[in-house]
Amino acid sequence: EAQVTQNPRYLITVTGKKLTVTCSQNMNHEYMSWYRQDPGLGLRQIYYSMNVEVTDKGDVPEGYKVSRKEKRNFPLILESPSPNQTSLYFCASSSPEPPPYNEQFFGPGTRLTVL
Amino acid sequence: AQSVTQLDSQVPVFEEAPVELRCNYSSSVSVYLFWYVQYPNQGLQLLLKYLSGSTLVESINGFEAEFNKSQTSFHLRKPSVHISDTAEYFCAVSRTGGSYIPTFGRGTSLIVHP
Repeated sequence: EAQVTQNPRYLITVTGKKLTVTCSQNMNHEYMSWYRQDPGLGLRQIYYSMNVEVTDKGDVPEGYKVSRKEKRNFPLILESPSPNQTSLYFCASSSPEPPPYNEQFFGPGTRLTVL
Repeated sequence: AQSVTQLDSQVPVFEEAPVELRCNYSSSVSVYLFWYVQYPNQGLQLLLKYLSGSTLVESINGFEAEFNKSQTSFHLRKPSVHISDTAEYFCAVSRTGGSYIPTFGRGTSLIVHP
């Protein structure tokens, strides 16, 4: 089954404790992205990756890191989490070929609470 | 740069009534347009898309959207809603070439009352 998986689905942590949220896709997609969803603000892009070893900042990258060492994986790293990073996080992937491209496939979400 | 405006943050409606969720976009280049739906406690999934051709596109569950280039709009409609349509709906736009970075609207919460 074609899918994007994220782990963990729920996480409660404390300020300053490094954490990683994993994302994996099995569709051989080049493009992967991380979003955060907050009430009233909709979806905001954190980082994206056009392909292996190619990453770039989205709209709200501060406090986050990513890496793309393999095509299927795109982990999101919070080196020193703070309470304002409490949010619902989504990973997504897509492919520029074949059409219709730019359609995003989303993971189930990770609900993060930073105390 | 491109942007998306969803004019209503919440749309309450009674079951079997018609509904329209509004979406306007701005872009200096040609775009693809999408509507995504997010059911409670789930991720987003594609509802329908406009890439080219007919300006009226339909989904399998009775929704439709019409691309209006002159008004830069892509409103989502359904003639008769069900309780199960209660969800968050996101409009999105991306350029037709070059960058694949989509821009999402802030979402519209459709609340269907019995």
